[in-house]
Amino acid sequence: GAGVSQSPSNKVTEKGKDVELRCDPISGHTALYWYRQRLGQGLEFLIYFQGNSAPDKSGLPSDRFSAERTGESVSTLTIQRTQQEDSAVYLCASSTEHTGELFFGEGSRLTVL
Amino acid sequence: AQSVAQPEDQVNVAEGNPLTVKCTYSVSGNPYLFWYVQYPNRGLQFLLKYITGDNLVKGSYGFEAEFNKSQTSFHLKKPSALVSDSALYFCAVRDNNQGGKLIFGQGTELSVKP
Repeated sequence: GAGVSQSPSNKVTEKGKDVELRCDPISGHTALYWYRQRLGQGLEFLIYFQGNSAPDKSGLPSDRFSAERTGESVSTLTIQRTQQEDSAVYLCASSTEHTGELFFGEGSRLTVL
Repeated sequence: AQSVAQPEDQVNVAEGNPLTVKCTYSVSGNPYLFWYVQYPNRGLQFLLKYITGDNLVKGSYGFEAEFNKSQTSFHLKKPSALVSDSALYFCAVRDNNQGGKLIFGQGTELSVKP
């Protein structure tokens, strides 16, 4: 596709369940980012992948959060044992280079009951 | 560590008046600076960026921003606001001495009234 694709667009889960969110970046984009946006708040950096370099995981809020990326393609963000405070929109973005602007997906809205 | 601040949660302007949305940053090296806009129930869209060169950067929808190194600011401006400019605006900074992590401010809600 032409843009960043995220799935699912909406996810409702019960507290304690694991969830997996997927991001398909724009083809050829070497950089991929995950952010979290709670209702009415700003973007919270989670993790950053750049090519074959080790990812910057400094924004992951706890060890329940993890993310992987296969080469320069799909990324998955996994949240284990979800808590109500994990409810948010999870945004994925990709870019071509160090100075390039980010292209964002529409986000995955996670609701933890 | 890099950081970015948007001191105003909300900015209100009348249509046709000039608008300014403020942003200040802190980095150890040279900054790469960006502005993004988020319309209701839509994803973030890129407006403009400063990497190097001319301090005045022009972007989409008639917006511009001025890089001021001495004041560590990158305020977003538009000479004449439109009602359709009403949205949430985010400033972001990347420290090119610390890899590619892009940090966003908390956002400023711009409301333009007719």
